Amino acid sequence: GQSLEQPSEVTAVEGAIVQINCTYQTSGFYGLSWYQQHDGGAPTFLSYNALDGLEETGRFSSFLSRSDSYGYLLLQELQMKDSASYFCAVRDNGNTGKLIFGQGTTLQVKP
Amino acid sequence: EAGVTQSPTHLIKTRGQQATLRCSPISGHTSVYWYQQALGLGLQFLLWYDEGEERNRGNFPPRFSGRQFPNYSSELNVNALELEDSALYLCASDPSLAKNIQYFGAGTRLSVL
Repeated sequence: GQSLEQPSEVTAVEGAIVQINCTYQTSGFYGLSWYQQHDGGAPTFLSYNALDGLEETGRFSSFLSRSDSYGYLLLQELQMKDSASYFCAVRDNGNTGKLIFGQGTTLQVKP
Repeated sequence: EAGVTQSPTHLIKTRGQQATLRCSPISGHTSVYWYQQALGLGLQFLLWYDEGEERNRGNFPPRFSGRQFPNYSSELNVNALELEDSALYLCASDPSLAKNIQYFGAGTRLSVL
């Protein structure tokens, strides 16, 4: 089957660095994306990796290793507002628009 | 530029009734996706519409259906509602298949009593 695995919960303190891992098993691969969702809100796009390596966008970075079917989201200089759920997602087929999402990682940032 | 908008924000129905959820994509986006997010879970793909046609369907029963209008807005219809249909229904749009970036609305919270 097709699946994405990520930790269910992560806790960190303000100012720290946290890494959220995602491993995927899909029939095809057309890039790994990360979305942030605050409680009850709309998921918002954070980052996208189609090729191996690190993509940096401000305090957030995302990494992909296609040979390992693995990626991670790195959040630096954590702020209280970063407390949210983070989802990795894969498009497994270039001809369909659907994304396959992980179950989400709830990040709690403590003062 | 307006984002993806969904209505209503909340919807309360009873078992056996029908629910209609609406979505307006970002201007210029032709693809609309529907996802179901049960409480505390990830997003499950429901339907994809592009240029007025249903292009792909997730693993949901036929009582989940929808359509896309000429202005690219979309409706999701859920017939014969069951208690387990209670969830947040999210709509997303994107301008192209070339990217993994989808833009989401805030969702419709459907409660089936």
